[in-house]
Amino acid sequence: QSVLTQPPSMSGAPGQRVTISCSGSSSNIGAGYDVHWYQQLPGTAPKLLISGNIRRPSGVPDRFSGSQSGTSASLTITGLQAEDEADYYCQSYDSSLVFGTGTKVTVL
Amino acid sequence: QITLKESGPTLVKPTQTLTLTCTFSGFSLTNNGVGVGWIRQPPGKALEWLALIYWNDDKRYSPSLKKRVTITKDTSKNHVVLTMTNMDPVDTATYYCAHSFYDSSPYFDYWGQGTLVTVSS
Repeated sequence: QSVLTQPPSMSGAPGQRVTISCSGSSSNIGAGYDVHWYQQLPGTAPKLLISGNIRRPSGVPDRFSGSQSGTSASLTITGLQAEDEADYYCQSYDSSLVFGTGTKVTVL
Repeated sequence: QITLKESGPTLVKPTQTLTLTCTFSGFSLTNNGVGVGWIRQPPGKALEWLALIYWNDDKRYSPSLKKRVTITKDTSKNHVVLTMTNMDPVDTATYYCAHSFYDSSPYFDYWGQGTLVTVSS
């Protein structure tokens, strides 16, 4: 029962844009705590995708972008590729570190 | 190059205490702002944060597991150790350690490969 809610699954064809939401509240995202995003490819450890709401670590393709507004945050994949098929998690702070419920992205 | 690797038992019995070690390289836990955390993931389920220790020995715990979890560091060995008491089958998960920074909303920029721990009699 995470305090950060994500859609369980999303899908798109190659080249399409997919936006994953991370819904929080006034005690976490709405309180100004940064949101971070991780990509977890099948059978592997999570990888940091976005930090501080919008920052892409070195090596992360620029088709991944993050945004935040009010009590929610979003991860957008522009120009979906087959290798983007993975689980995606948001993470923030709410009196302790919290992860989102996770979203499975399928490339059709 | 920062690397982390988890080690410990793959199978523990219910009620036993789990001890996992994170061995890292490429950074020092004596440097200002540096932290190492533990995160777990039950099979097919979401990530769950467990604990985080900082360079200054500041320790943070998940409220739901605080009574069962202890995190310690040995800077001379580049180790961070997680102990979890009274293990139960619901604690079956892949346990990850990860590098972090001191921040109002800390995040994990380098992860170990994870180690699967099964709790079963």
